[in-house]
Amino acid sequence: GEDVEQSLFLSVREGDSSVINCTYTDSSSTYLYWYKQEPGAGLQLLTYIFSNMDMKQDQRLTVLLNKKDKHLSLRIADTQTGDSAIYFCAESLSGGGADGLTFGKGTHLIIQP
Amino acid sequence: KAGVTQTPRYLIKTRGQQVTLSCSPISGHRSVSWYQQTPGQGLQFLFEYFSETQRNKGNFPGRFSGRQFSNSRSEMNVSTLELGDSALYLCASSPMDGSNTGELFFGEGSRLTVL
Repeated sequence: GEDVEQSLFLSVREGDSSVINCTYTDSSSTYLYWYKQEPGAGLQLLTYIFSNMDMKQDQRLTVLLNKKDKHLSLRIADTQTGDSAIYFCAESLSGGGADGLTFGKGTHLIIQP
Repeated sequence: KAGVTQTPRYLIKTRGQQVTLSCSPISGHRSVSWYQQTPGQGLQFLFEYFSETQRNKGNFPGRFSGRQFSNSRSEMNVSTLELGDSALYLCASSPMDGSNTGELFFGEGSRLTVL
């Protein structure tokens, strides 16, 4: 069955890089996503990567995918206080969520001044 | 463009009652999905609708149901509420126009408390 695992907490100093890791089990996953959730809000899509890619960069965000190890990571460069949130990794067999996304439990990113 | 709108934002019900939640997708989006978020189970897929048809359903009992209207707006209903149904219910829309970007756009959710 599908399963997505993440560490529950990550604490970093402001200005440092944050690296949030995720492992998934379904080798059929075609799309992998990172979502951000701030307190009291819904989920905001940060970035996504197709399974035929191994890296994607978007401004301060870098996504690395190791398909062999089924490992996905999100690197946030120059972490700011506004990055404090819960980050969810998710996988899907098809784009657009028609078959539903499988989410990890989320990583709480804590920023130290 | 307005985002995904969910109503009501907050509601309190008692066990045994039923509840209906509403979702208006982003204009032009034809797919609407629903998710339940709880501290214990995290985010779980409920169902997905496209062109008024339920295409997929998650592992939830039959008390959870939904529908989609011709204007793509969607409602979900939970009957015979249980304490464990207390959760944040999130709706997401997707264009499903063949652009294949894989994006889901989420609303802010409806927070249901069952007493």
